[in-house]
Amino acid sequence: DAKTTQPNSMESNEEEPVHLPCNHSTISGTDYIHWYRQLPSQGPEYVIHGLTSNVNNRMASLAIAEDRKSSTLILHRATLRDAAVYYCILRKQTGANNLFFGTGTRLTVIP
Amino acid sequence: KAGVTQTPRYLIKTRGQQVTLSCSPISGHRSVSWYQQTPGQGLQFLFEYFSETQRNKGNFPGRFSGRQFSNSRSEMNVSTLELGDSALYLCASSLEAYYGYTFGSGTRLTVV
Repeated sequence: DAKTTQPNSMESNEEEPVHLPCNHSTISGTDYIHWYRQLPSQGPEYVIHGLTSNVNNRMASLAIAEDRKSSTLILHRATLRDAAVYYCILRKQTGANNLFFGTGTRLTVIP
Repeated sequence: KAGVTQTPRYLIKTRGQQVTLSCSPISGHRSVSWYQQTPGQGLQFLFEYFSETQRNKGNFPGRFSGRQFSNSRSEMNVSTLELGDSALYLCASSLEAYYGYTFGSGTRLTVV
C-alpha cells in the first residue's frame, strides 16, 4: 500500500500562510490525495482532496506536483483554530481502501 | 444534516469482557470504516463496510469484528478485551471510495 511522508511538526505565525508538505513517491494512478486534520479531543476532519489538478475550497488549497509524487496543503492565513495534526493520506478511486494515516504533521500556530 | 453518530462516547470494561460499539453514518452514505487511535500507534485502520459487506480489513486480530446493517448503521465488537485495547475508536462514513470521510467524535474505551 502506498504510504505518505510528512514532517513531524511545523510552526507558523498567526495570519501568515502555511505550506504543509507531503511526499507520496509510490502513489498509483488510481490514488486520490486526501488531507485531514485532527484538533485536540476530536475525530479527524476532512480538509480537501485531489487527483491531479490543484484544488481550492473554503478551508485550504491543495497543490499537487506534476509527477504526483508530492503535494502541499496551503492554509492561506493561519489562525489559532488551525492548530492541529494534519494528515496526508492516499485513497483509491474505487473499491476497497486500506488507508494509512501515518503520524501526520503537528502544526503550532504562534499568536 | 446530522453527522456521524457514535455511541457510547465513553466506556469502561474489565479485561476478558466483550464490548459492542455503534456507529450511525450520515444518511445516504454506504461506506463505513472503523479506526483505532492510541498515543503509541496513532490512527490505524480496522475495517471498511460497504452495502453490508466487509470490503477491506486492517491488520488486527480476529477478536475485532464488525458488521453493517441494511440501513448502513454499523457495529464493531471486541471480544476478550485486553488492556492494550484501550483506545479511541473512530467511525467514518463516505458516499464512495474517493469522497472525503466524515468522522464521528469516537468512543473512548478504557479496559481495566
